[in-house]
Amino acid sequence: QSALTQPASVSGSPGQSITISCTGTSSDVGGYNYVAWYQQHPGEAPKLMIYDVRYRPSGVSNRFSASKSGNTASLTISGLQAEDEADYYCSSYTSSSTQWVFGGGTKLTVL
Amino acid sequence: EVQLVQSGAEVKKPGEFLKISCKGSGYSFPNYWIGWVRQMPGKGLEWMGIIYPNDSNTRYSPSFQGQVTMSADKSISTAYLQWSSLKASDTAMYFCAKRGNWNYDFWGQGTLVTVSS
Repeated sequence: QSALTQPASVSGSPGQSITISCTGTSSDVGGYNYVAWYQQHPGEAPKLMIYDVRYRPSGVSNRFSASKSGNTASLTISGLQAEDEADYYCSSYTSSSTQWVFGGGTKLTVL
Repeated sequence: EVQLVQSGAEVKKPGEFLKISCKGSGYSFPNYWIGWVRQMPGKGLEWMGIIYPNDSNTRYSPSFQGQVTMSADKSISTAYLQWSSLKASDTAMYFCAKRGNWNYDFWGQGTLVTVSS
């Protein structure tokens, strides 16, 4: 069982918006503003999409946005496109000996 | 351009030794932590540990402590992950990733390790 809880799957039609949640504890998501989101297409390496809860690295579309409330972080993708279909993972620094934790991943299907 | 290039796929037998590599370029390799992440077939990402190439300071996830060894040679900008005695359950894709501030901003392409008798 992963340390951070994500829905196994979400889906949406092109042009729509979807939100993926990521629930942790006060030792990780709730305790630090160090939540990141990664996109992984099949057979590829993960790609950083969001860091420090809400910031986008250079080159990442502004259709990707994120936030945090308490122990739950959220990733929103607006104006869904076919290329957004991928697995999405949240991660957070944690005060436990593990240091870093990932969510179990969410498979996004664009209908 | 920041790049992390990992060594190629490996097929090994249980009990064998294995060392895979991750070569960085395009940035000051010694001064950024390198993390290792496991992805078992069809599963999610698991953080294994991290190494600081400048002084080889390492921190392991409790789940991987004693199971693998991380090392680095800053003179050739390369980090390593090794197993002294592989198990079938070590079959997975292994990624190295450069740590940014509090995230992993660049990733290697992954090394597929298959352990089978």
